[in-house]
Amino acid sequence: AQTVTQSQPEMSVQEAETVTLSCTYDTSENNYYLFWYKQPPSRQMILVIRQEAYKQQNATENRFSVNFQKAAKSFSLKISDSQLGDTAMYFCAFMKHDGSSNTGKLIFGQGTTLQVKP
Amino acid sequence: KAGVTQTPRYLIKTRGQQVTLSCSPISGHRSVSWYQQTPGQGLQFLFEYFSETQRNKGNFPGRFSGRQFSNSRSEMNVSTLELGDSALYLCASSFLGTESDEQYFGPGTRLTVT
Repeated sequence: AQTVTQSQPEMSVQEAETVTLSCTYDTSENNYYLFWYKQPPSRQMILVIRQEAYKQQNATENRFSVNFQKAAKSFSLKISDSQLGDTAMYFCAFMKHDGSSNTGKLIFGQGTTLQVKP
Repeated sequence: KAGVTQTPRYLIKTRGQQVTLSCSPISGHRSVSWYQQTPGQGLQFLFEYFSETQRNKGNFPGRFSGRQFSNSRSEMNVSTLELGDSALYLCASSFLGTESDEQYFGPGTRLTVT
């Protein structure tokens, strides 16, 4: 069974600084996707960034980038130039590629609450 | 394009009752997944529907069921409610439900069982 672990329940960062959120996962699969989702307080969960396991290049989306280490099964999220609007709970998630037998199923970590301080 | 909507947003029920939650996906999306979010267990996958068929199911008791209609709207039902069913129930829609598809989440339904 696949598992996703986020070892940092809470983190804080000063506005404009950089912060890295950690995520490790366990799987025997070779083809899968990894995701970071953001859930702001009382707001909808949105996708921040995603990584295809067969791509060696780390994904980037503006101020958000990942460090994907496939052999180590590590998928950390780096937020540069942190903004107050980045305050949210961040979830790391995994979905394996398994044809039609594993549709729609994201496996989530426990989440990291990030507080950006002014 | 309108986002994923869920109704009702808040619900209070008594143990033993049943409840039905509704999810309207983004127009054109045919896959709807349901998740339960609790402080203790985190986000857990309930089931996924595509073209009115349940394609995937998580490890929840049979009290949790769902269905999808021809317009892709989905409902989930929980019968014989227990205190432990108190949670935020999220639905997410995508075109096909595959790993390369982005899942778009609704605001959730907050269910409180007393």
